[in-house]
Amino acid sequence: EAGVVQSPRYKIIEKKQPVAFWCNPISGHNTLYWYLQNLGQGPELLIRYENEEAVDDSQLPKDRFSAERLKGVDSTLKIQPAELGDSAVYLCASSEGGGSYNEQFFGPGTRLTVL
Amino acid sequence: AQSVTQLGSHVSVSEGALVLLRCNYSSSVPPYLFWYVQYPNQGLQLLLKYTSAATLVKGINGFEAEFKKSETSFHLTKPSAHMSDAAEYFCAVSDGSSASKIIFGSGTRLSIRP
Repeated sequence: EAGVVQSPRYKIIEKKQPVAFWCNPISGHNTLYWYLQNLGQGPELLIRYENEEAVDDSQLPKDRFSAERLKGVDSTLKIQPAELGDSAVYLCASSEGGGSYNEQFFGPGTRLTVL
Repeated sequence: AQSVTQLGSHVSVSEGALVLLRCNYSSSVPPYLFWYVQYPNQGLQLLLKYTSAATLVKGINGFEAEFKKSETSFHLTKPSAHMSDAAEYFCAVSDGSSASKIIFGSGTRLSIRP
């Protein structure tokens, strides 16, 4: 069974440019998460989807970040415009349900470098 | 609010030695506790979780952790380290509700000396 797929794995852009990350969760998982992982830190939740509905986006900086999961399957996270401080690893995870008792399966992440 | 503190950002042990990674939590409600492992350039993988059943939890790869409420701790141990255990380890906490999110610690990097 395929795991969580993310692309691209690495992205280098100049500040003020837009960037998008894509995630395809494990088949049948209706809960999808986007996390931000800064160097030397643990992941921090940006947004959680239950099917196509964003049920927790309280930590998403909405002035420059946006996300969508139109058909309740794959998802896209966008930053526009990117800033130097956005350099980090962006992780996607999925689970069968939204409770924290459900195991989350993580993708390998997209490492973003903003120059 | 919930939080976890991982004591020691880097731990180094010899191959075959005991591994002990420390985690203390803060929670106003009975917590769910987790240990995740992250190998280089990979996502996180669940090692084990405590969900208010047995206080000694066994996980994958020979790891186990013990929930100690009196000490608000959930330390991760493995009797004998293997070279393949070298990775970043994250302790995490949640309140277990359907709406809760997992709060991760800052991680401990485990190095294994030959």
